[in-house]
Parts: sequence; C-alpha cells; structure tokens
Amino acid sequence: NAGVTQTPKFQVLKTGQSMTLQCAQDMNHEYMSWYRQDPGMGLRLIHYSVGAGITDQGEVPNGYNVSRSTTEDFPLRLLSAAPSQTSVYFCASSPGTGRSDTQYFGPGTRLTVL
Amino acid sequence: GQQLNQSPQSMFIQEGEDVSMNCTSSSIFNTWLWYKQEPGEGPVLLIALYKAGELTSNGRLTAQFGITRKDSFLNISASIPSDVGIYFCAGQRSSNTGKLIFGQGTTLQVKP
Repeated sequence: NAGVTQTPKFQVLKTGQSMTLQCAQDMNHEYMSWYRQDPGMGLRLIHYSVGAGITDQGEVPNGYNVSRSTTEDFPLRLLSAAPSQTSVYFCASSPGTGRSDTQYFGPGTRLTVL
Repeated sequence: GQQLNQSPQSMFIQEGEDVSMNCTSSSIFNTWLWYKQEPGEGPVLLIALYKAGELTSNGRLTAQFGITRKDSFLNISASIPSDVGIYFCAGQRSSNTGKLIFGQGTTLQVKP
C-alpha cells in the first residue's frame, strides 16, 4: 500500500490563480481530511469527509472547496489564491469505523502564493 | 477557534535525559492522540488514548489521558538523537467525526 499520497509536493502560485491539490489513499478509508500547517499554529482543519459524496467544513474553510466523488480521492481546490493561503497542506485518512481517530497523514504540499 | 494549549513550545535536552510535555484544554475531549513530525514529513501517530485515566506506552514513550478529560501528557524516557522533531497533541470531542483539534506543537532537540 502506498498509504496517503499528495501531489504536487511544491507549488508556487500568483495571487488570483486557481489550482487543485490532489490527495489519494489506497487503504479503503472512509474518512478523509485536509489540514493546513502554519508556523506556531499546529494543524488546522479545512474540510473533511466521512464518505463518498459527503463533505463538511472544518475550522478554516474559507477560500477552499472540496468534493468526494470516490472513496479514494479527496481533492482540495483553491479558487482564487491569496498570500494568506501560503502554507503546508496535509491530507489525512482514517478507517471511519472503530478507532476512526487514528488518522494517517500524507507527506504534504508546500504552497507559496506571491 | 478552539485550541489545545501545548507546553513547552520547545525543549533542548541532553541525550539520555527524560522529556515531559503536556496538553490542556478548557473543553472535554473523548480522544487524545500524540503525533511526531519530522522535517518535510507529515505527522505520524505515536500513541492514542480513549479513556479517562488511561496510561499507554509505546517503547520509551508513555502517554496518559487526564482524569478530567481536559488534559494529556507525553513522556519520553532516555532520549536519543532520533527523538528530534515536533510533537503534537490532538484531541477529538466526539467519536467517529474525523475532526481533530491540534496543539501548537513542542519542538524537541537532543544534543548527543
């Protein structure tokens, strides 16, 4: 199993550009989440999904959209990038049954918005 | 937004020393988790705690779920250089929601 994979690893955008961060998992996990990590802030939840076709907002959802058309994929879309969205983005997945709290994280995407 | 208060923010210790860090909240959590993050990587789960008062070990690591359900601590015994990294606590208020709240992290440096 590859676990949780994220692409790209690095990205530089100009203000106003749009892009999609990709996340995929091959563990048949029901739950998937997106977090952003900023210095001194820990990780903050952006959006999450408890199954295909179901998404909900986390702590910092503004400026981001998600969809979950399959169990495996959970892309994060930035519609109009802003410098405040410069951050490291992590995708995570968890089984969704029993001990669903044990989330497995991808390696992250480092995004810079100029 | 809701936050977990994690302390200390950073630690610089000598190899072989024991380490202790903790996490507190004004709210009750049903689950406490401890993660370690190394440079350029995503967080990796170290220990998960599911019951108030629970004490769990993973090798040289020991973590406890506070009786009040508002705090947790992580101890590392006999530290080694590969313990270097950022340690995060995370809590979940309701079971099976997939929503974790993270502390700010404790950066650990170990001097050989």
